[in-house]
Amino acid sequence: AQSVAQPEDQVNVAEGNPLTVKCTYSVSGNPYLFWYVQYPNRGLQFLLKYITGDNLVKGSYGFEAEFNKSQTSFHLKKPSALVSDSALYFCAVRGLSGSARQLTFGSGTQLTVLP
Amino acid sequence: DSGVTQTPKHLITATGQRVTLRCSPRSGDLSVYWYQQSLDQGLQFLIQYYNGEERAKGNILERFSAQQFPDLHSELNLSSLELGDSALYFCASSVEHIGGANVLTFGAGSRLTVL
Repeated sequence: AQSVAQPEDQVNVAEGNPLTVKCTYSVSGNPYLFWYVQYPNRGLQFLLKYITGDNLVKGSYGFEAEFNKSQTSFHLKKPSALVSDSALYFCAVRGLSGSARQLTFGSGTQLTVLP
Repeated sequence: DSGVTQTPKHLITATGQRVTLRCSPRSGDLSVYWYQQSLDQGLQFLIQYYNGEERAKGNILERFSAQQFPDLHSELNLSSLELGDSALYFCASSVEHIGGANVLTFGAGSRLTVL
């Protein structure tokens, strides 16, 4: 069965500093990988996805993610954090066949950007 | 506004009762997904419908059922409610019925509180 691990429940970073939210995954075959963000009292919003090709994927709001096949990781990054980036971030993976084609989410990482 | 509409936004009920959550997908989307978000279980996939037919089942309890109607809106029925069913229930929609790089668009959720 596929799985996603977000090892940090909470990440704090100062405004203007770079941020990284970590994600590792386990899936058979080549993965489709996603990042979603959830603001308070809102649904999840799509940030970016990796399908194939370039290991650095650029998404919404200045976020990017780096796919590393050997480390089975897909870390979310942003060069300069904003207070408005404070939210709950979810990494998700989808496999290629059977039940793996459903999106499996990690447990989420609460990002707090301090002014 | 994501285009996915969920009602009601909040619902408080008692143990043993039955409730119905409603979802209207984004215009043009044929697939509807239901997810449960709770503090201890995270985001759990419940069930998927595509154009009126059930496509995939996840961790959905037998007390729960869903359907998708000809106008593509979907309802999630929760019966014999228990305290542990208190959670945020999300509906999401997508164009495709098969995963791949398919991006899900989420509604704002229905918060269910069982007392």
